[in-house]
Amino acid sequence: KQEVTQIPAALSVPEGENLVLNCSFTDSAIYNLQWFRQDPGKGLTSLLLIQSSQREQTSGRLNASLDKSSGRSTLYIAASQPGDSATYLCAVNSGNTPLVFGKGTRLSVIA
Amino acid sequence: DGGITQSPKYLFRKEGQNVTLSCEQNLNHDAMYWYRQDPGQGLRLIYYSQIVNDFQKGDIAEGYSVSREKKESFPLTVTSAQKNPTAFYLCASSIREGGYTFGSGTRLTVV
Repeated sequence: KQEVTQIPAALSVPEGENLVLNCSFTDSAIYNLQWFRQDPGKGLTSLLLIQSSQREQTSGRLNASLDKSSGRSTLYIAASQPGDSATYLCAVNSGNTPLVFGKGTRLSVIA
Repeated sequence: DGGITQSPKYLFRKEGQNVTLSCEQNLNHDAMYWYRQDPGQGLRLIYYSQIVNDFQKGDIAEGYSVSREKKESFPLTVTSAQKNPTAFYLCASSIREGGYTFGSGTRLTVV
């Protein structure tokens, strides 16, 4: 059974710092890996989708990489801003199976 | 604009009562999903449907029921058999083997 782990569980950084969030999964036979952002009391907003044939995706200050063989993904946030404060969730699936989620990393960016 | 609409935003259930959470999408997605989110637990899959008139149980289906009579709609009923229903419920949809889009959630509280 697929398990997804996100480290660290919480992170506090000063504004302007570059940071990396980590995601690992136990079964490397994945089809998609998706990173989401969740603000308190809100739904999930998709940030980046990486399909199994891809190694990374970029959107603005965000870059996500995927290493299937080692079962790892990283989300890199450049020049962090207070508006980046949220919980970041990583999820994976295999073929037709639904997404399996990690418990998230709660990020606080201090002005 | 295309998206997923969940209603109501807040719902209160009395002991022994069944309640139904609504989820509607206009993205023309084939698959729809229901997840439950509890503090510190991450998202757990309740039910999913990949096609109209067909659905499968997720990891925590006991005490819940669903229907998929239309492509656009996937309502979730929380029955009296669900002993601990207080949680944040999230609905999502996707194209086959594609990224997920989430609704804004329904917060259910037992009173």
